[in-house]
Amino acid sequence: KAGVTQTPRYLIKTRGQQVTLSCSPISGHRSVSWYQQTPGQGLQFLFEYFSETQRNKGNFPGRFSGRQFSNSRSEMNVSTLELGDSALYLCASSLLPGQGNTIYFGEGSWLTVV
Amino acid sequence: AQTVTQSQPEMSVQEAETVTLSCTYDTSESNYYLFWYKQPPSRQMILVIRQEAYKQQNATENRFSVNFQKAAKSFSLKISDSQLGDTAMYFCAFINAGGTSYGKLTFGQGTILTVHP
Repeated sequence: KAGVTQTPRYLIKTRGQQVTLSCSPISGHRSVSWYQQTPGQGLQFLFEYFSETQRNKGNFPGRFSGRQFSNSRSEMNVSTLELGDSALYLCASSLLPGQGNTIYFGEGSWLTVV
Repeated sequence: AQTVTQSQPEMSVQEAETVTLSCTYDTSESNYYLFWYKQPPSRQMILVIRQEAYKQQNATENRFSVNFQKAAKSFSLKISDSQLGDTAMYFCAFINAGGTSYGKLTFGQGTILTVHP
């Protein structure tokens, strides 16, 4: 059974640009969540999607957005990139949200903003 | 607000020895789940062990076990017979069982564990 798949794995963008990251959950998993990992702030929750609906959102500006498709695949978008957005973005999936089901992570997308 | 604290930024252990990583958490909820994740240099976040708060029995997974003290809000990880492949950053994490937690894990700051040959 394939794990959580994230693309692209590495990317470099310029300040002011926008970026879209993709995540395919484990087959059968319907909840997808996103996290940002930086050396200074650690792991921070961005948002969670279930059945194409955003159920939960972390404390991030509106430049960070996401969506989920009917096949549970998810994308997150960051517009007007800032240097501080450089981070490892981790996608995670689970069978159902908020019920203690084990959350599995992908390998992450490394974003560098220059 | 829920918080998770890992008080040991770095730990080291000799191969084959035992090491314990500490974690405390704060929550007003009575039903929740606790996890330990391992993040090796590849940065893949790997689940090590999971504990349901309503279960008194400590979870065990092969060489990994936890000491869950609900009243003290403590959740430590014990690694027995340490192996070189255990070298990684270890994160303690928490999630509420219901309500509006929806996929939101709260992580500690992490503990870098180095296993020496």
